[in-house]
Amino acid sequence: DQQVKQNSPSLSVQEGRISILNCDYTNSMFDYFLWYKKYPAEGPTFLISISSIKDKNEDGRFTVFLNKSAKHLSLHIVPSQPGDSAVYFCAASAALGGGATNKLIFGTGTLLAVQP
Amino acid sequence: DAGVTQSPTHLIKTRGQQVTLRCSPKSGHDTVSWYQQALGQGPQFIFQYYEEEERQRGNFPDRFSGHQFPNYSSELNVNALLLGDSALYLCASSLIGGGVTDTQYFGPGTRLTVL
Repeated sequence: DQQVKQNSPSLSVQEGRISILNCDYTNSMFDYFLWYKKYPAEGPTFLISISSIKDKNEDGRFTVFLNKSAKHLSLHIVPSQPGDSAVYFCAASAALGGGATNKLIFGTGTLLAVQP
Repeated sequence: DAGVTQSPTHLIKTRGQQVTLRCSPKSGHDTVSWYQQALGQGPQFIFQYYEEEERQRGNFPDRFSGHQFPNYSSELNVNALLLGDSALYLCASSLIGGGVTDTQYFGPGTRLTVL
């Protein structure tokens, strides 16, 4: 049962344009969502996160939008740069309470290629 | 500020053997989680250690076991290796009660190949 889905295996964008990566989830108990970027032969690098009490979080060129009613989140990268080319993973977790760090459920990833 | 480190980088084993992977968390972190990433898939949660105890466990058999030491570093042990255990094993560290984010930071991983 794939609780976090990234339906686009790959995305190609021109340098300077907007990249939009999408993620859907099925578990309504998820209350925290993260995006990670992964280069080959490296571990995932944390990019940006959003709590379920918000619908938008912005950090520089990266913005994450959350639509709880649709169980959908997206990552916008503006402007896209060639160095952004990597696999992007969406991840979600459900609170255990007490400030505990919870297991992350990952999607299968989207390979972003930013063309110069 | 040292990030999450893992050793070894690569490992080749044969079916039936046992393997131990090691992880040192980011400075100031007290919690270590282990994930398995098969080719073309997202990371899958194996288990999490805090205060030297297993707090949570994913759907992995008992062949997968772990340990956390007083200095917060951790080991992942896999017994009776199967071909299907070939994967990238990722360690992530975090700080319990570190705030609303409780973000997990990943190491570079250990690539395990089982022949």
